Amino acid sequence: NAGVTQTPKFQVLKTGQSMTLQCAQDMNHEYMSWYRQDPGMGLRLIHYSVGAGITDQGEVPNGYNVSRSTTEDFPLRLLSAAPSQTSVYFCASSYSQESQPQHFGDGTRLSIL
Amino acid sequence: QQPVQSPQAVILREGEDAVINCSSSKALYSVHWYRQKHGEAPVFLMILLKGGEQKGHEKISASFNEKKQQSSLYLTASQLSYSGTYFCGTEKRAYNTDKLIFGTGTRLQVFP
Repeated sequence: NAGVTQTPKFQVLKTGQSMTLQCAQDMNHEYMSWYRQDPGMGLRLIHYSVGAGITDQGEVPNGYNVSRSTTEDFPLRLLSAAPSQTSVYFCASSYSQESQPQHFGDGTRLSIL
Repeated sequence: QQPVQSPQAVILREGEDAVINCSSSKALYSVHWYRQKHGEAPVFLMILLKGGEQKGHEKISASFNEKKQQSSLYLTASQLSYSGTYFCGTEKRAYNTDKLIFGTGTRLQVFP
């Protein structure tokens, strides 16, 4: 049981480049979400999904797209990277609609030059 | 809206106690608590649901006062392993785990 797996662990991009951060979970969790973590700002919700085919925006969705074609995978796409998107990105999943513990991946450290 | 945590930082010696507070301007359904070690992912500690219950996890416990829209995390007889940043996460409605909004964190350092 791998839990929540994020790839890559580190990435450096140039301004304007696009990329996809991968997130996969093997716990059959319905709910998945993406957070970004910046110094002094805690964890801010970018996008989330309540199940395959259903996604919605969080607190800071601009500049990011998501899709949920399967229960297991929830990729986060940066369309045109900007230095303001330099951050640590965490993917999380939880079991059901009721309040459940969030299981976090190890994070992706992204730098935009 | 992000919940507000206080204090922002705490420094303790082993064996001392600490309280971390989390408050929201909105009515809450539940409060989550997580701990994050430097360079690692946040790890779940506990969830408190509407009803003012108190929960415990080793020597770490928490309370939730829904009328005051506040939760407090109590760390007693602190150990070196308690060092890290503590985050509260709040849900406004039932069945809405996906809208878990985190506070800015409280950094706890425990020294021998």
